[in-house]
Amino acid sequence: SQQGEEDPQALSIQEGENATMNCSYKTSINNLQWYRQNSGRGLVHLILIRSNEREKHSGRLRVTLDTSKKSSSLLITASRAADTASYFCATDERFQKLVFGTGTRLLVSP
Amino acid sequence: SQTIHQWPATLVQPVGSPLSLECTVEGTSNPNLYWYRQAAGRGLQLLFYSVGIGQISSEVPQNLSASRPQDRQFILSSKKLLLSDSGFYLCAWRGRDEGEQFFGPGTRLTVL
Repeated sequence: SQQGEEDPQALSIQEGENATMNCSYKTSINNLQWYRQNSGRGLVHLILIRSNEREKHSGRLRVTLDTSKKSSSLLITASRAADTASYFCATDERFQKLVFGTGTRLLVSP
Repeated sequence: SQTIHQWPATLVQPVGSPLSLECTVEGTSNPNLYWYRQAAGRGLQLLFYSVGIGQISSEVPQNLSASRPQDRQFILSSKKLLLSDSGFYLCAWRGRDEGEQFFGPGTRLTVL
């Protein structure tokens, strides 16, 4: 089953703009992770935020987590054409398996 | 360093034919292993996961099965493929802690 729901489903922006994607989930989690997928490829891990953390940064990525609202956001600052990909959130409930959301397709135009 | 292999990269099979997809991991021991399926333009559906040799948990009842004959080998099988089995199959592993999953390159399966 898919617990996470990403919003928006698709996002189109210009290079240099910021891109924000949101993820909502339904149950208690141990951590939440964001992944990136280029077309036709496997997923690549971007960042992990634990349930007791509220914000985390990695390079141009900023992730927030609000466990009271069961939601997370991924912000990509100063986007580049190479950031074009699908982005997925995944929730970790029991340290054994991840449940992935439906994904946001990001298109960054030069 | 750890690497994960999947093969074949692409596969076209007729309805009713058998299936065997293989995934192997190098550079780690006793990993958790996972099989996902991704329909075109959709999210990932967890099919099976394994926490050890011979231990398989099925997430979705269907005509697929999985086996883990060795610590770092995970196999996805079917006796008779259906049209609905078409999709992009991804294998992944993770360590015993709460860390990230590492994905293979995937197998694109088309059932005709």
